[in-house]
Amino acid sequence: GAVVSQHPSWVICKSGTSVKIECRSLDFQATTMFWYRQFPKQSLMLMATSNEGSKATYEQGVEKDKFLINHASLTLSTLTVTSAHPEDSSFYICSASSRDYPLFFGPGTRLTVL
Amino acid sequence: AQKITQTQPGMFVQEKEAVTLDCTYDTSDPSYGLFWYKQPSSGEMIFLIYQGSYDQQNATEGRYSLNFQKARKSANLVISASQLGDSAMYFCAMREGFNDMRFGAGTRLTVKP
Repeated sequence: GAVVSQHPSWVICKSGTSVKIECRSLDFQATTMFWYRQFPKQSLMLMATSNEGSKATYEQGVEKDKFLINHASLTLSTLTVTSAHPEDSSFYICSASSRDYPLFFGPGTRLTVL
Repeated sequence: AQKITQTQPGMFVQEKEAVTLDCTYDTSDPSYGLFWYKQPSSGEMIFLIYQGSYDQQNATEGRYSLNFQKARKSANLVISASQLGDSAMYFCAMREGFNDMRFGAGTRLTVKP
């Protein structure tokens, strides 16, 4: 199957700082990327949908000013957690899709905010 | 509204036996896909099996098979000949058309030696 990478795989930061997570589709052009968040012992919850070249669509309850998503190219989407707080500590997973491929998931990024 | 329901928070199975993980879904879209993923402690989402809404036959992938009952809106995962390495969280998911993928709450499977 197709390969989706995420960087970094884990990050620890101080409260109040911003963290950027990259999601790349390595061998296909992803017209759409999805960002999910998973708290411990819970399921994956969709945060936002990003289409290349347009603004992301956020799910209800997700602050768009706090979770900035940029999908500047067909192979790269970034999620920036601005002014991170301990409650933002979670596992963030991206997935990539085009009309020719099913969804493929990245390996996830574990964020810990101290 | 919850669209994917997994009613088994945890399941136990003896090694080498078969186990069925339940999943029901709700949609009015005639075109949808049903997926099962395995998530070990590393967190990686491992794709196991896919069933399209128009597929006539149940999907099979090695030891995994999907018992698709469209009228009942169920898509149960059957794992045959369980192995210790099958112990993990299992998520059922649905994708309507080319929209996003929604997940059930998950089932934690433990394989006993």
